[in-house]
Amino acid sequence: GENVEQHPSTLSVQEGDSAVIKCTYSDSASNYFPWYKQELGKRPQLIIDIRSNVGEKKDQRIAVTLNKTAKHFSLHITETQPEDSAVYFCAASKGSGTYKYIFGTGTRLKVLA
Amino acid sequence: DGGITQSPKYLFRKEGQNVTLSCEQNLNHDAMYWYRQDPGQGLRLIYYSQIVNDFQKGDIAEGYSVSREKKESFPLTVTSAQKNPTAFYLCATNGGQGRSYGYTFGSGTRLTVV
Repeated sequence: GENVEQHPSTLSVQEGDSAVIKCTYSDSASNYFPWYKQELGKRPQLIIDIRSNVGEKKDQRIAVTLNKTAKHFSLHITETQPEDSAVYFCAASKGSGTYKYIFGTGTRLKVLA
Repeated sequence: DGGITQSPKYLFRKEGQNVTLSCEQNLNHDAMYWYRQDPGQGLRLIYYSQIVNDFQKGDIAEGYSVSREKKESFPLTVTSAQKNPTAFYLCATNGGQGRSYGYTFGSGTRLTVV
């Protein structure tokens, strides 16, 4: 069945260092890959997304890369700050409109000051 | 709540009791979803609806029921058959053909069995 694996489950980095979170998806028909940030007790918030016709997308300190052949995509956060500490979820979807997401299991990122 | 209102924010259920969680949206999105999140865990799909008067089971539908009588509303009932309902419940929406890809989430309902 459809599945998204996410690694690592927890990640601790020093402030200013980079963090990388990786996800692998199983359904080759997936073509939309969002990343969500969830702070404790809050709802997930979209931070960046990528579509399958693009290999990389960047937004300030955050970037996402996609390798369709290998069916994996990664979130890169540079110059990490304490406010980056949260749980990050990746997801895969087959397209626009009403397609459901398949979520990864989440990565708890701790940025140590 | 960014166009999605979930209520109540906190809910307490007694053993053997059915409770209903509300999700209302004014985004004119076609699809609505219910996810369950256990502490320290990911998001698991309970039910989803892509159009009014139609809905589909997700991965963990047992013990839950939904209805979609109008576009704006997708209530979730947690029945007494759900033996471990304590969790954080999130409602999400996304648009129809040609609309936005992304989910918009509500602020969630925290359900506790007492």
